[in-house]
Amino acid sequence: EAQVTQNPRYLITVTGKKLTVTCSQNMNHEYMSWYRQDPGLGLRQIYYSMNVEVTDKGDVPEGYKVSRKEKRNFPLILESPSPNQTSLYFCASSLQKGSNQPQHFGDGTRLSIL
Amino acid sequence: ILNVEQSPQSLHVQEGDSTNFTCSFPSSNFYALHWYRWETAKSPEALFVMTLNGDEKKKGRISATLNTKEGYSYLYIKGSQPEDSATYLCATNTNAGKSTFGDGTTLTVKP
Repeated sequence: EAQVTQNPRYLITVTGKKLTVTCSQNMNHEYMSWYRQDPGLGLRQIYYSMNVEVTDKGDVPEGYKVSRKEKRNFPLILESPSPNQTSLYFCASSLQKGSNQPQHFGDGTRLSIL
Repeated sequence: ILNVEQSPQSLHVQEGDSTNFTCSFPSSNFYALHWYRWETAKSPEALFVMTLNGDEKKKGRISATLNTKEGYSYLYIKGSQPEDSATYLCATNTNAGKSTFGDGTTLTVKP
């Protein structure tokens, strides 16, 4: 089954404790992206990647890192999480660049930083 | 228009009503316009991708139009059903891969 898989689905942690949210897709998609969603707001793009070893900042990259060492994986790293990063996070992928191809979304990861 | 804006923010209709909502976006650097449907506790699902001025897309009772010159897209739902209740998101993409989403229109259809 074609899918985007995020882990963990839920995480409660404390300020400053490094964490990684994994994202994996099995569709051989070139384009992958991370978003955060906060109450009353739409999805805001954190980082995106158009292919292996190619990553770019979205609208809200501060406090996050990403890597794209393999085509299928695009982990989101919070080196020193802070309470303002408490949010719902989505990973998405599409065939090419994300321009005229729809994005396929993971089920989301709800992070709470205390 | 500097950002992607959606209106109204929320909408309550009766079953059987037809409804529509708007997505406004910057017409410069436009490459594609996406509509997604997002149900509570699920992930967003793609409805339509449109790229050309005048594009019209249809899926069942849902259709969408695109005007790239004036920077807007309309989503129409004919004969709304309770299962249409969801948040509808629009997003624009640049050719460089950057995506910008609107804040969504939340539709509630009462039986």
